[in-house]
Amino acid sequence: NAGVTQTPKFQVLKTGQSMTLQCAQDMNHEYMSWYRQDPGMGLRLIHYSVGAGITDQGEVPNGYNVSRSTTEDFPLRLLSAAPSQTSVYFCASSSRGLTNEKLFFGSGTQLSVL
Amino acid sequence: AQKITQTQPGMFVQEKEAVTLDCTYDTSDPSYGLFWYKQPSSGEMIFLIYQGSYDQQNATEGRYSLNFQKARKSANLVISASQLGDSAMYFCAMREGRYSSASKIIFGSGTRLSIRP
Repeated sequence: NAGVTQTPKFQVLKTGQSMTLQCAQDMNHEYMSWYRQDPGMGLRLIHYSVGAGITDQGEVPNGYNVSRSTTEDFPLRLLSAAPSQTSVYFCASSSRGLTNEKLFFGSGTQLSVL
Repeated sequence: AQKITQTQPGMFVQEKEAVTLDCTYDTSDPSYGLFWYKQPSSGEMIFLIYQGSYDQQNATEGRYSLNFQKARKSANLVISASQLGDSAMYFCAMREGRYSSASKIIFGSGTRLSIRP
């Protein structure tokens, strides 16, 4: 039972590079989201999706793109990495079918931008 | 716009004592859900408890209970008989709207709880 899988677990980028953080869930959840967590801080919502083909911005969307072509996958793209994007990134999913509709989290991606 | 506030950056509590972690929220939607998550030093996010805005009773899950005061817009987490393993960051979160499939979930800034032996 994989749940929410994020890859990679660690990544180092140089300023200006682009990359994609992968997120996949095998629970058929319609809701998926990306958060970033800076050291000692809370989670801030970057983008979220309520179903395939539907995405919307969260609290801190600038510098990031998302797409949702399938129910299972929700990749996060950094267009031109900046040191301010150094953070831990969490992907999470949920479903209206759950009793409390809690979020299931991936294990996180630690990203450093030099 | 929805907003979650946790005013206690850090707390120290003696083992076996009860502890209350504060959370206030702001929303204009009559339908919403409130969550508490625990994040130990390992970094994983662990779901603790959920309260729906229409739930008549306060939610409880083992040693965790949620003190839901709707009129005051507060959703404090109460941990009874604290244990050393309770040392962690604790986050309050809110979803506006009836279903997660239709609405975003945002988090507070967290409270770092440290249990003293």
